[in-house]
Amino acid sequence: RKEVEQDPGPFNVPEGATVAFNCTYSNSASQSFFWYRQDCRKEPKLLMSVYSSGNEDGRFTAQLNRASQYISLLIRDSKLSDSATYLCVDRGSGAGSYQLTFGKGTKLSVIP
Amino acid sequence: GAGVSQSPSNKVTEKGKDVELRCDPISGHTALYWYRQSLGQGLEFLIYFQGNSAPDKSGLPSDRFSAERTGGSVSTLTIQRTQQEDSAVYLCASSLAGYTEAFFGQGTRLTVV
Repeated sequence: RKEVEQDPGPFNVPEGATVAFNCTYSNSASQSFFWYRQDCRKEPKLLMSVYSSGNEDGRFTAQLNRASQYISLLIRDSKLSDSATYLCVDRGSGAGSYQLTFGKGTKLSVIP
Repeated sequence: GAGVSQSPSNKVTEKGKDVELRCDPISGHTALYWYRQSLGQGLEFLIYFQGNSAPDKSGLPSDRFSAERTGGSVSTLTIQRTQQEDSAVYLCASSLAGYTEAFFGQGTRLTVV
């Protein structure tokens, strides 16, 4: 069974702090990963893709470590609006794969 | 709108009744997924469609649950003889292909009383 594991948290951090989440995945053949965020009582929304070389989108940086089978999300200069649950997603082994496996999420609370 | 549309947004039903939940994916998206999320819990995979066929029904919790997709577009999730443990938010997502990013609808909040 393909699984994705995340630390559920909560991570309580002050505004302006840097916070990092890790996520491990069990399917060694997986090639494609994403981070989603889910606000309370809302649907998950795509935050960013994770590229093998690492990628950045503003204050957010995602990285992939294939050897250890984990991905990470780094948030710099945390804002109150970053408070949400962050979901790690294993999208499987590429074209022809339909896998869309979610972790249970890591809860982040940014405190004033 | 151009997003994934689900209806109804809220449904309250009596135990033992049947319910139908509808998902209208983004136009042109061939892959469609149903998930269930209980309060405070993670996403539970139910079923996946590629076009009109469902290669993976492994997540359906019991034979009271069924789903179909017609015309490679709209999908319906049917729950027969609802039980209180079926109360949850049912989320639908679609993607252009099997490995691209998926987009979610706002969900149907089902309450069985």
